[in-house]
Amino acid sequence: SQTIHQWPATLVQPVGSPLSLECTVEGTSNPNLYWYRQAAGRGLQLLFYSVGIGQISSEVPQNLSASRPQDRQFILSSKKLLLSDSGFYLCAWTRGTVSGNTIYFGEGSWLTVV
Amino acid sequence: QKEVEQDPGPLSVPEGAIVSLNCTYSNSAFQYFMWYRQYSRKGPELLMYTYSSGNKEDGRFTAQVDKSSKYISLFIRDSQPSDSATYLCAIDTGRRALTFGSGTRLQVQP
Repeated sequence: SQTIHQWPATLVQPVGSPLSLECTVEGTSNPNLYWYRQAAGRGLQLLFYSVGIGQISSEVPQNLSASRPQDRQFILSSKKLLLSDSGFYLCAWTRGTVSGNTIYFGEGSWLTVV
Repeated sequence: QKEVEQDPGPLSVPEGAIVSLNCTYSNSAFQYFMWYRQYSRKGPELLMYTYSSGNKEDGRFTAQVDKSSKYISLFIRDSQPSDSATYLCAIDTGRRALTFGSGTRLQVQP
């Protein structure tokens, strides 16, 4: 069966510090990978998606970047965090295209920028 | 107009009540509809999945799609305190990723 791991689960970072969140998927190959952010009381905002190694699409301009160095590894980064980067970050995957396929989420990473 | 709209709640009901959660969407061409449940500080988990219109039942949960009204619903029968969570509707809008509603927070009081 497929599983998705995301870490760290919780982190508190000062403004201006770097960020690295990591996500790996097991039990499948060539998944589509996603990073979402969920601000308090708000819905899920798609940040990045990737259909293959080194292929990253950005949905919104921001202070964040993503990389996919391996087939089942997806990394979310920032060089300098802003207060507005605080939120709940979720990695997710689908098998192939989204149509008719459901999306599966990791456990999430809570980021507080202070 | 947003593609998916969902009443944020919160919705508080007594244990055993029937709960109705709803979303509206903008484009009648959408065909894949999902409901996710998200417990506090956890990732969303898939609860129900429906294609096109009609009803789908799974235990105490029923998902309903009314394409003529562009309205999707999730019904929970005999609600339990363990059902307390945020429920998100999601729609495949034909882009790379699902479009999610903002979520409805449900509290079932024992």
